[in-house]
Amino acid sequence: AQSVTQLGSHVSVSEGALVLLRCNYSSSVPPYLFWYVQYPNQGLQLLLKYTSAATLVKGINGFEAEFKKSETSFHLTKPSAHMSDAAEYFCAVSLIQGAQKLVFGQGTRLTINP
Amino acid sequence: NAGVMQNPRHLVRRRGQEARLRCSPMKGHSHVYWYRQLPEEGLKFMVYLQKENIIDESGMPKERFSAEFPKEGPSILRIQQVVRGDSAAYFCASSPPYLPGGNGYTFGSGTRLTVV
Repeated sequence: AQSVTQLGSHVSVSEGALVLLRCNYSSSVPPYLFWYVQYPNQGLQLLLKYTSAATLVKGINGFEAEFKKSETSFHLTKPSAHMSDAAEYFCAVSLIQGAQKLVFGQGTRLTINP
Repeated sequence: NAGVMQNPRHLVRRRGQEARLRCSPMKGHSHVYWYRQLPEEGLKFMVYLQKENIIDESGMPKERFSAEFPKEGPSILRIQQVVRGDSAAYFCASSPPYLPGGNGYTFGSGTRLTVV
């Protein structure tokens, strides 16, 4: 069975500082991995995805994530936080084949301090 | 090109009433997925449908919940005899038929159901 664990339900960083949101997964087969962002009272927007090509994936808004099989991790980073990055971030995993459902982590709320 | 449209955005129901949530997929998308987000939690898969066919309903509660995606019209998530524990945000997503499972899909803005 697949599962996703996001370490830290709340992360707070200063504007301009590095953003690091942690995600670890478990899967019996090579997974597809995703990061989604949710702004208040809105739906989820895809930030980036790993689909077994390059292990370093670049997404929108300056975010990137690195797939590390040995650590079963897919941490999300951004070199310099902006106030507009304040949102909820979700890591998700799916099987490469089979049903298309995603398994989500519990989310990390990112707060940016001025 | 409109995205995934969900309505209503907010829905208030009294305990025991029925709730109907609608989802119109993106143009060209024939696969629809429903997820539920309880307060302070991530999204949980409920059901995956294609036109006139339920593919995977492993996340649906056994009672009171049903979903359909007719040949014409939007997908409907129906909750009968709502209880306070049904209060949540319900998100719909859609994808085209030819994409593999790992491509991600497009979410709507959700329906926030409040049961009073």
